Amino acid sequence: DGGITQSPKYLFRKEGQNVTLSCEQNLNHDAMYWYRQDPGQGLRLIYYSQIVNDFQKGDIAEGYSVSREKKESFPLTVTSAQKNPTAFYLCASSIDLEREQQYFGPGTRLTVT
Amino acid sequence: GQNIDQPTEMTATEGAIVQINCTYQTSGFNGLFWYQQHAGEAPTFLSYNVLDGLEEKGRFSSFLSRSKGYSYLLLKELQMKDSASYLCAVLDSNYQLIWGAGTKLIIKP
Repeated sequence: DGGITQSPKYLFRKEGQNVTLSCEQNLNHDAMYWYRQDPGQGLRLIYYSQIVNDFQKGDIAEGYSVSREKKESFPLTVTSAQKNPTAFYLCASSIDLEREQQYFGPGTRLTVT
Repeated sequence: GQNIDQPTEMTATEGAIVQINCTYQTSGFNGLFWYQQHAGEAPTFLSYNVLDGLEEKGRFSSFLSRSKGYSYLLLKELQMKDSASYLCAVLDSNYQLIWGAGTKLIIKP
């Protein structure tokens, strides 16, 4: 089955630690995205990537970093510089940036205490 | 700035019809999407409108008026499993998706 996987579903970390969230897709999509979702708010774009070895900052990139070494993988690192990291993180992909539909992974709920 | 407005919450009865509205002000327009999101899960695609008019897909229909910056999602024959949040999103001139905060739909028996 083609799709997007994110692991783990739930993640707990202590404040001051960096943490990396995984995102893998086998849809052969060029574009991949990371969003953050907080209660009562719309999805906010953190980073996106059009092709391998290229990525762009979204609206709220501060305190986050990404890499795109392989087409299938787009991991997100939440650094200790992110002031409010507790949130639901969603990874998505689309055929390319201009194609309509984005496909989402199941999400990772990160709690930092 | 770019803005998408949806009601925060709506309540409807099982078997009835409900209309969820979405108004938008964005830098350009390359289409409008509706997604369904159950609590704690990923959004799933429902519909895409780029031209004015009504698109029907089973129990769900979506309408777009570009001149009014307005869309609605119509759900018929409501079922308990339709209890979810419904997200409106607009693809702007830079092909960035701008998301509304979502409408939480509560279905009562």
